[in-house]
Amino acid sequence: DQQVKQNSPSLSVQEGRISILNCDYTNSMFDYFLWYKKYPAEGPTFLISISSIKDKNEDGRFTVFLNKSAKHLSLHIVPSQPGDSAVYFCAASMNSGGYQKVTFGTGTKLQVIP
Amino acid sequence: EAGVTQFPSHSVIEKGQTVTLRCDPISGHDNLYWYRRVMGKEIKFLLHFVKESKQDESGMPNNRFLAERTGGTYSTLKVQPAELEDSGVYFCASSQDLSVWETQYFGPGTRLLVL
Repeated sequence: DQQVKQNSPSLSVQEGRISILNCDYTNSMFDYFLWYKKYPAEGPTFLISISSIKDKNEDGRFTVFLNKSAKHLSLHIVPSQPGDSAVYFCAASMNSGGYQKVTFGTGTKLQVIP
Repeated sequence: EAGVTQFPSHSVIEKGQTVTLRCDPISGHDNLYWYRRVMGKEIKFLLHFVKESKQDESGMPNNRFLAERTGGTYSTLKVQPAELEDSGVYFCASSQDLSVWETQYFGPGTRLLVL
């Protein structure tokens, strides 16, 4: 039973345009939502997060939006650059036994075309 | 500061053999995690150590998998005997404090192929 879902396995965007990556979750107990970026042959690296009490968090070209009623979050990259080409994992965290436990989605492969 | 390191980077073994993966977390990080990603699927949680103790091993697939973290430093994940469905990329991650959410730092992974 997948609690974090990324329904688009891939996305292609022109350089300079906006990239929008989507993610849905099912468990209302999640209290933090995260995006990780992964290049080939490397481990995922943390990109941006948002607390469940907020609806938007911005960091430079990256903005994450959270819609709790819809159990949906999205990552916006503006403007997209070729170096943004990578696999993006959506993840959600909740308290489990006094510790935070993270659940990942399947990833979306973003290709930014020069 | 050195990041999370994993050894080996790749391993190809035959069904029935044993493989041991190693993870060295960032120095000073008490929390160490093992995850696995099977081709095209999600990064799936296997287990979580706090220092040398197993905090949560609910993601371990079966008793063919054994994880240890002696002395609370590096960790090993042994698969014995390996089956075809064990193939995938095994990631290790570490973090300093998990009383609140904190970034987990991932290693580059070990790519395991069981033939």
